[in-house]
Amino acid sequence: ETGVTQTPRHLVMGMTNKKSLKCEQHLGHNAMYWYKQSAKKPLELMFVYSLEERVENNSVPSRFSPECPNSSHLFLHLHTLQPEDSALYLCASSRQATGGGTDTQYFGPGTRLTVL
Amino acid sequence: GENVEQHPSTLSVQEGDSAVIKCTYSDSASNYFPWYKQELGKGPQLIIDIRSNVGEKKDQRIAVTLNKTAKHFSLHITETQPEDSAVYFCAASKGWGKLQFGAGTQVVVTP
Repeated sequence: ETGVTQTPRHLVMGMTNKKSLKCEQHLGHNAMYWYKQSAKKPLELMFVYSLEERVENNSVPSRFSPECPNSSHLFLHLHTLQPEDSALYLCASSRQATGGGTDTQYFGPGTRLTVL
Repeated sequence: GENVEQHPSTLSVQEGDSAVIKCTYSDSASNYFPWYKQELGKGPQLIIDIRSNVGEKKDQRIAVTLNKTAKHFSLHITETQPEDSAVYFCAASKGWGKLQFGAGTQVVVTP
């Protein structure tokens, strides 16, 4: 395994529900990411956290709310989602996310989200 | 911003043959080009990467080539095996943790 875990692995929710996705990395990294993977589309970067500070919000609707309480944990809080938000949500981590260089990103297995 | 195009979208090869996947990118400032393999029910896993100061890199049956002038890079898998069947993604980045991914190639290796 990659050292990045995600829970739950599957989630079904109604449009009025509130739920949270959790990601934990055991690699000692300082940067964490949320990606959305929809069928037949490239992975879309949603949020980037570096040293617990959000450094990127890629025009994501406010119904997705990230939280990074420490460098090992990342959450994605979901509320009033739409059916088109159904997708695989992937978490990743890397050593850092600053500067002109790029460190290898390690991905978790994802949470398969279905919005009814 | 960066745009990455990946071809083909599906690739069927006979076991033992070679597979080649090609990607082009738009931003000449991109300097890091990883390739990921995603198996069913799993997250993407890095298989090889290349940086802009290198033209080619090889790791056993897998190789990547980079042409900065033409802004394209390719993944080569030799002596394909059934366990190579998966979706492969290319990506490009110019830093700050921002990876722009291609749409993916479904590779099927038939015995």
